[in-house]
Amino acid sequence: NAGVTQTPKFQVLKTGQSMTLQCAQDMNHEYMSWYRQDPGMGLRLIHYSVGAGITDQGEVPNGYNVSRSTTEDFPLRLLSAAPSQTSVYFCASSRTTGGKTEAFFGQGTRLTVV
Amino acid sequence: AQSVSQHNHHVILSEAASLELGCNYSYGGTVNLFWYVQYPGQHLQLLLKYFSGDPLVKGIKGFEAEFIKSKFSFNLRKPSVQWSDTAEYFCAVSRSGNTGKLIFGQGTTLQVKP
Repeated sequence: NAGVTQTPKFQVLKTGQSMTLQCAQDMNHEYMSWYRQDPGMGLRLIHYSVGAGITDQGEVPNGYNVSRSTTEDFPLRLLSAAPSQTSVYFCASSRTTGGKTEAFFGQGTRLTVV
Repeated sequence: AQSVSQHNHHVILSEAASLELGCNYSYGGTVNLFWYVQYPGQHLQLLLKYFSGDPLVKGIKGFEAEFIKSKFSFNLRKPSVQWSDTAEYFCAVSRSGNTGKLIFGQGTTLQVKP
């Protein structure tokens, strides 16, 4: 069972370049999220989705776009990369059963913007 | 807005010492509580979780946590740490029945000296 798969694992971008971080899950979870991890700040929510076709902003959405065309995939797009977006990005999918929610995380993508 | 505060940013212990990491959250409703661990260079792994019932929860690798509702706290404990426990620890909270949105604390780096 693959769980949550993120690609790529590492990426270096030049300022102004665009790219898409891929995230796929095979657990048929409705909820998917993107977080960024920065030293001393924990993980902060960028965008999330409660199902195919539905997305919403999290705590730090600026500079990122998302879409959710299928249950399985939740790509994160950087339209014009900036050095402030240098971070480690984690995708998560969640299931909620009887009010109990549990998240499963991908391996992370380490992005450096130069 | 919801927030999670971890009191200790960097903890250094010798092997066999006892560990307690503090976590407080600010939300008055019903919550789901989690502790995650991130070993160097790896992704987040769930240590333990609390949804309801017994406020003392046991997780993997000998960790436990106690939910004290009156104090909005969910402190992590381990009676005797090992060198292999060196990692970063994150407390996280979600609203019960929520879409899977997690609010993370800033993280605590634990260094265990052999």
